[in-house]
Amino acid sequence: EAQVTQNPRYLITVTGKKLTVTCSQNMNHEYMSWYRQDPGLGLRQIYYSMNVEVTDKGDVPEGYKVSRKEKRNFPLILESPSPNQTSLYFCASSFSTGTYGYTFGSGTRLTVV
Amino acid sequence: KQEVTQIPAALSVPEGENLVLNCSFTDSAIYNLQWFRQDPGKGLTSLLLIQSSQREQTSGRLNASLDKSSGRSTLYIAASQPGDSATYLCAVFTITGANNLFFGTGTRLTVIP
Repeated sequence: EAQVTQNPRYLITVTGKKLTVTCSQNMNHEYMSWYRQDPGLGLRQIYYSMNVEVTDKGDVPEGYKVSRKEKRNFPLILESPSPNQTSLYFCASSFSTGTYGYTFGSGTRLTVV
Repeated sequence: KQEVTQIPAALSVPEGENLVLNCSFTDSAIYNLQWFRQDPGKGLTSLLLIQSSQREQTSGRLNASLDKSSGRSTLYIAASQPGDSATYLCAVFTITGANNLFFGTGTRLTVIP
């Protein structure tokens, strides 16, 4: 089944403890992206990648890192999480021109205490 | 930068009514526009994808139109049902500058039995 898989689905962590949220797609998509969703602010893009080793900042990149060493994987790294990074996170992927639309993962609900 | 606006922010209708959700965007240089549905705390489910060269797409009781020159899209839901209650998001994949996906803040729909 074609899908985007995020892990974990839920995570509670403490301030300053490094964490990684994984994202993997099995559709050979070039484009991958991370979003965070907060009440009243909608979906805001954190980082995106047009292909392997090509990444760029979205609207809210501060406090996050990404890497794209393989086409299928696009992990989101929080080096030193803070409470303001408590949010619902989504990974998405598509072919580079979006021809077939975007497929989203099921989301990761992160709480930083 | 692309700005996507959805009106209204919330809508309540009695079961059986036909309804229209609106989406507008500021930059007409787009590859496509996609409508999503999101249930509370859940992921995004793709409903319809309209390529920039198309005027509309239909799936069951849903019909989405696109007027790229005026920067507008509508999602028409026929014979609404309580199960249609959710937040509806539109997203545009923009060509200008870095190819990127931009979301509106959504319309929260409640269908009253």
